[in-house]
Amino acid sequence: QSVLTQPPSVSGAPGQRVTISCTGSSSNIGAGFDVHWYQQLPGTAPKLLIYGSTNRPSGVPDRFSGSKSGTSASLAITGLQAEDEADYYCQSYDSSLSEGVFGGGTKLTVL
Amino acid sequence: QVQLVQSGTEVKKPGASVKVSCKASGYTFSIDNISWVRQAPGRGLEWMGWISTSNGNTNYAQKFQGRVTLTTDTSTGTAYMELGSLTSDDTAIYYCARGGASNFFGMGVWGQGTTVTVS
Repeated sequence: QSVLTQPPSVSGAPGQRVTISCTGSSSNIGAGFDVHWYQQLPGTAPKLLIYGSTNRPSGVPDRFSGSKSGTSASLAITGLQAEDEADYYCQSYDSSLSEGVFGGGTKLTVL
Repeated sequence: QVQLVQSGTEVKKPGASVKVSCKASGYTFSIDNISWVRQAPGRGLEWMGWISTSNGNTNYAQKFQGRVTLTTDTSTGTAYMELGSLTSDDTAIYYCARGGASNFFGMGVWGQGTTVTVS
């Protein structure tokens, strides 16, 4: 069981908007630790998509956005494209465990 | 450009140890931590630990305490991850990444991954 909980899968048609949730607790997201999101295309290394809960690295399209509230965070993808089909992971830090933690990952299918 | 290049595929026997290297280039090695993350076949990402490249301090995930050792060679800008007492459950792709687990900027650069098979 992952410390951060994500839905196993989400799907949407091209052009639609989807959101992926990441639920934590008072020792990680709720304690104020930043949430980061990674995109992993099949057979490749993860790529940083959102850092500091809401910020996009240079080169990441503004179709991707992050938010955080309380003990949860979300990744939103608007204008879905076929190339967005990938696995998405949230990541934070847990003060009770004193270690980094990942969500279990969400597989995005573009219908 | 900023990149991390990892060593090649490893095949090990149960009970053995493996040491994976991660060579940084394109930036000053000592300004950022290096984290290690692994991914078993068909599974999600699992954080293993990080090392401060400036002073060598380490932080290991509880699951790997006593079995993993992270080190750096600042003269060559290379980080190392050694995992001992291998079992088949350690078969995975091992990634190094620039950044720590609790910093604001996340892990912004990743190595290409090193496949370790224990059989």
